[in-house]
Amino acid sequence: AQSVTQPDIHITVSEGASLELRCNYSYGATPYLFWYVQSPGQGLQLLLKYFSGDTLVQGIKGFEAEFKRSQSSFNLRKPSVHWSDAAEYFCAVGLLTGGGNKLTFGTGTQLKVEL
Amino acid sequence: SQTIHQWPATLVQPVGSPLSLECTVEGTSNPNLYWYRQAAGRGLQLLFYSVGIGQISSEVPQNLSASRPQDRQFILSSKKLLLSDSGFYLCAWSIRADPGHHNEQFFGPGTRLTVL
Repeated sequence: AQSVTQPDIHITVSEGASLELRCNYSYGATPYLFWYVQSPGQGLQLLLKYFSGDTLVQGIKGFEAEFKRSQSSFNLRKPSVHWSDAAEYFCAVGLLTGGGNKLTFGTGTQLKVEL
Repeated sequence: SQTIHQWPATLVQPVGSPLSLECTVEGTSNPNLYWYRQAAGRGLQLLFYSVGIGQISSEVPQNLSASRPQDRQFILSSKKLLLSDSGFYLCAWSIRADPGHHNEQFFGPGTRLTVL
Protein backbone atom coordinates (compact mmCIF):
# COMPACT_ATOMS: atom_id res chain seq x y z
CA ALA A 1 0.00 0.00 0.00
CA GLN A 2 1.07 3.56 -0.59
CA SER A 3 2.52 5.62 2.23
CA VAL A 4 4.26 8.90 2.89
CA THR A 5 6.83 9.46 5.61
CA GLN A 6 7.87 12.80 6.95
CA PRO A 7 10.56 11.86 9.47
CA ASP A 8 10.85 15.27 11.11
CA ILE A 9 7.89 16.16 13.31
CA HIS A 10 9.33 19.53 14.33
CA ILE A 11 12.05 21.67 12.77
CA THR A 12 13.37 25.00 14.02
CA VAL A 13 15.43 27.28 11.82
CA SER A 14 16.64 30.84 12.11
CA GLU A 15 15.22 33.46 9.81
CA GLY A 16 17.40 33.74 6.74
CA ALA A 17 18.74 30.21 7.06
CA SER A 18 18.15 27.54 4.46
CA LEU A 19 15.48 24.90 4.91
CA GLU A 20 15.00 21.31 3.81
CA LEU A 21 11.96 19.26 4.78
CA ARG A 22 12.17 15.57 4.07
CA CYS A 23 9.56 13.39 2.44
CA ASN A 24 9.79 9.74 1.45
CA TYR A 25 7.06 7.85 -0.29
CA SER A 26 6.16 4.29 -1.04
CA TYR A 27 4.11 3.74 -4.17
CA GLY A 28 4.19 1.08 -6.84
CA ALA A 29 3.81 3.33 -9.86
CA THR A 30 5.13 6.71 -10.98
CA PRO A 31 3.97 9.01 -8.23
CA TYR A 32 2.15 12.28 -8.36
CA LEU A 33 3.67 14.27 -5.50
CA PHE A 34 2.57 17.39 -3.69
CA TRP A 35 3.62 19.71 -0.92
CA TYR A 36 0.97 21.65 1.01
CA VAL A 37 1.33 24.24 3.76
CA GLN A 38 -1.14 24.84 6.59
CA SER A 39 -1.17 27.89 8.83
CA PRO A 40 -2.75 27.42 12.27
CA GLY A 41 -6.51 26.90 12.08
CA GLN A 42 -6.54 27.22 8.31
CA GLY A 43 -7.00 24.99 5.31
CA LEU A 44 -4.16 23.67 3.18
CA GLN A 45 -2.50 25.64 0.42
CA LEU A 46 -0.71 23.94 -2.44
CA LEU A 47 2.97 24.90 -2.59
CA LEU A 48 4.06 22.80 -5.56
CA LYS A 49 3.48 19.55 -7.39
CA TYR A 50 5.37 17.00 -9.44
CA PHE A 51 3.63 15.06 -12.16
CA SER A 52 6.40 14.33 -14.67
CA GLY A 53 9.30 15.95 -16.50
CA ASP A 54 11.92 18.07 -14.79
CA THR A 55 12.61 16.58 -11.38
CA LEU A 56 13.24 19.98 -9.81
CA VAL A 57 9.98 21.83 -9.45
CA GLN A 58 9.43 25.40 -8.42
CA GLY A 59 6.53 26.48 -6.29
CA ILE A 60 5.06 29.52 -4.67
CA LYS A 61 6.68 31.56 -1.91
CA GLY A 62 10.20 30.68 -3.10
CA PHE A 63 9.92 26.96 -2.39
CA GLU A 64 11.26 24.19 -4.58
CA ALA A 65 11.32 20.42 -4.37
CA GLU A 66 13.36 17.72 -6.05
CA PHE A 67 12.00 14.32 -7.03
CA LYS A 68 14.57 11.55 -6.65
CA ARG A 69 13.19 8.26 -7.86
CA SER A 70 16.21 6.24 -6.67
CA GLN A 71 15.66 7.49 -3.12
CA SER A 72 11.85 7.61 -3.25
CA SER A 73 12.11 11.15 -1.97
CA PHE A 74 10.54 14.52 -2.65
CA ASN A 75 12.25 16.95 -0.32
CA LEU A 76 11.12 20.54 0.00
CA ARG A 77 13.70 23.33 0.09
CA LYS A 78 13.94 27.06 0.50
CA PRO A 79 17.23 28.99 0.36
CA SER A 80 16.27 31.64 2.90
CA VAL A 81 13.43 31.22 5.34
CA HIS A 82 11.17 34.10 6.35
CA TRP A 83 9.35 34.34 9.68
CA SER A 84 6.05 34.06 7.79
CA ASP A 85 7.04 30.55 6.66
CA ALA A 86 6.30 29.21 10.14
CA ALA A 87 3.52 26.68 9.57
CA GLU A 88 2.92 22.97 9.16
CA TYR A 89 4.01 21.32 5.94
CA PHE A 90 2.48 18.20 4.44
CA CYS A 91 3.82 15.98 1.72
CA ALA A 92 1.30 13.88 -0.21
CA VAL A 93 1.23 11.25 -2.93
CA GLY A 94 -1.64 11.07 -5.38
CA LEU A 95 -3.31 7.79 -6.20
CA LEU A 96 -5.10 6.98 -9.42
CA THR A 97 -8.39 5.36 -8.50
CA GLY A 98 -10.77 5.51 -11.40
CA GLY A 99 -11.09 9.27 -11.32
CA GLY A 100 -11.22 9.64 -7.57
CA ASN A 101 -7.74 11.10 -7.39
CA LYS A 102 -7.14 10.34 -3.73
CA LEU A 103 -4.24 11.75 -1.76
CA THR A 104 -2.26 10.03 0.97
CA PHE A 105 -0.65 12.52 3.31
CA GLY A 106 2.34 12.35 5.58
CA THR A 107 1.89 13.28 9.22
CA GLY A 108 3.38 16.72 8.66
CA THR A 109 6.40 18.74 9.76
CA GLN A 110 5.88 21.71 12.04
CA LEU A 111 8.28 24.51 11.13
CA LYS A 112 9.26 27.11 13.68
CA VAL A 113 11.27 30.15 12.62
CA GLU A 114 13.43 31.94 15.14
CA LEU A 115 13.99 35.63 14.64
CA SER B 1 -11.90 31.78 -10.22
CA GLN B 2 -12.90 28.88 -8.06
CA THR B 3 -13.66 29.16 -4.36
CA ILE B 4 -14.61 26.65 -1.73
CA HIS B 5 -16.67 27.42 1.34
CA GLN B 6 -17.20 25.49 4.55
CA TRP B 7 -19.49 26.19 7.43
CA PRO B 8 -19.68 26.51 10.23
CA ALA B 9 -16.10 27.52 11.01
CA THR B 10 -16.31 26.17 14.55
CA LEU B 11 -18.81 23.94 16.27
CA VAL B 12 -19.16 22.59 19.80
CA GLN B 13 -21.61 19.73 20.15
CA PRO B 14 -22.55 17.33 22.95
CA VAL B 15 -21.99 13.61 22.63
CA GLY B 16 -24.96 11.94 21.00
CA SER B 17 -26.13 15.00 19.08
CA PRO B 18 -26.43 15.07 15.26
CA LEU B 19 -23.98 16.75 12.92
CA SER B 20 -24.18 18.46 9.57
CA LEU B 21 -21.21 20.17 7.97
CA GLU B 22 -21.58 21.77 4.59
CA CYS B 23 -19.13 22.42 1.80
CA THR B 24 -19.84 24.24 -1.44
CA VAL B 25 -17.65 25.01 -4.43
CA GLU B 26 -18.08 27.90 -6.81
CA GLY B 27 -16.64 28.54 -10.24
CA THR B 28 -16.34 24.99 -11.51
CA SER B 29 -18.56 22.15 -12.64
CA ASN B 30 -18.42 18.39 -12.06
CA PRO B 31 -15.69 18.56 -9.45
CA ASN B 32 -14.44 15.65 -7.42
CA LEU B 33 -15.19 16.40 -3.77
CA TYR B 34 -13.46 15.13 -0.64
CA TRP B 35 -13.89 15.16 3.14
CA TYR B 36 -10.82 14.85 5.36
CA ARG B 37 -10.40 14.80 9.12
CA GLN B 38 -7.32 16.09 10.86
CA ALA B 39 -6.97 15.04 14.47
CA ALA B 40 -4.68 17.00 16.80
CA GLY B 41 -1.03 16.39 15.96
CA ARG B 42 -1.80 14.01 13.13
CA GLY B 43 -1.97 14.11 9.38
CA LEU B 44 -5.04 14.17 7.21
CA GLN B 45 -7.27 11.16 6.91
CA LEU B 46 -9.51 10.87 3.88
CA LEU B 47 -13.05 10.08 5.00
CA PHE B 48 -15.16 10.27 1.83
CA TYR B 49 -14.85 11.25 -1.77
CA SER B 50 -17.37 11.80 -4.54
CA VAL B 51 -17.02 11.85 -8.31
CA GLY B 52 -20.62 12.92 -8.96
CA ILE B 53 -24.06 13.65 -7.55
CA GLY B 54 -25.17 10.84 -5.29
CA GLN B 55 -21.87 8.96 -5.71
CA ILE B 56 -20.06 8.57 -2.40
CA SER B 57 -17.07 6.41 -1.59
CA SER B 58 -16.22 5.79 2.03
CA GLU B 59 -12.62 5.28 3.00
CA VAL B 60 -12.91 4.24 6.63
CA PRO B 61 -15.73 2.68 8.65
CA GLN B 62 -16.96 5.22 11.11
CA ASN B 63 -19.78 7.11 12.70
CA LEU B 64 -20.05 9.56 9.84
CA SER B 65 -21.76 9.68 6.45
CA ALA B 66 -21.57 11.96 3.44
CA SER B 67 -23.99 13.07 0.77
CA ARG B 68 -23.80 15.05 -2.43
CA PRO B 69 -27.27 16.39 -3.20
CA GLN B 70 -26.04 18.88 -5.81
CA ASP B 71 -23.05 19.01 -8.13
CA ARG B 72 -21.11 21.49 -6.00
CA GLN B 73 -22.42 20.66 -2.55
CA PHE B 74 -20.94 18.08 -0.21
CA ILE B 75 -22.36 17.38 3.24
CA LEU B 76 -20.83 15.48 6.15
CA SER B 77 -23.28 14.12 8.69
CA SER B 78 -23.65 12.06 11.80
CA LYS B 79 -26.74 10.88 13.63
CA LYS B 80 -24.99 10.63 17.01
CA LEU B 81 -21.61 12.21 17.65
CA LEU B 82 -18.89 10.46 19.63
CA LEU B 83 -16.05 12.06 21.54
CA SER B 84 -13.67 10.60 18.97
CA ASP B 85 -15.35 12.62 16.22
CA SER B 86 -13.64 15.78 17.48
CA GLY B 87 -11.18 17.24 15.01
CA PHE B 88 -10.62 19.61 12.16
CA TYR B 89 -12.69 18.74 9.10
CA LEU B 90 -11.51 19.82 5.70
CA CYS B 91 -13.37 19.74 2.43
CA ALA B 92 -11.46 19.73 -0.84
CA TRP B 93 -12.21 19.68 -4.54
CA SER B 94 -10.31 18.77 -7.68
CA ILE B 95 -10.93 18.85 -11.38
CA ARG B 96 -12.01 15.47 -12.61
CA ALA B 97 -8.92 13.98 -14.21
CA ASP B 98 -8.58 11.95 -17.36
CA PRO B 99 -7.82 8.26 -16.79
CA GLY B 100 -4.19 7.81 -15.83
CA HIS B 101 -3.81 11.39 -14.68
CA HIS B 102 -4.08 13.17 -11.37
CA ASN B 103 -5.07 16.70 -10.48
CA GLU B 104 -4.24 18.64 -7.35
CA GLN B 105 -6.81 19.20 -4.66
CA PHE B 106 -7.85 22.59 -3.34
CA PHE B 107 -8.88 22.87 0.27
CA GLY B 108 -11.50 24.85 2.13
CA PRO B 109 -10.86 26.75 5.36
CA GLY B 110 -12.03 23.88 7.57
CA THR B 111 -14.46 23.34 10.44
CA ARG B 112 -13.20 22.86 13.99
CA LEU B 113 -15.51 20.36 15.71
CA THR B 114 -15.35 19.78 19.44
CA VAL B 115 -17.52 17.06 20.92
CA LEU B 116 -17.99 17.32 24.67
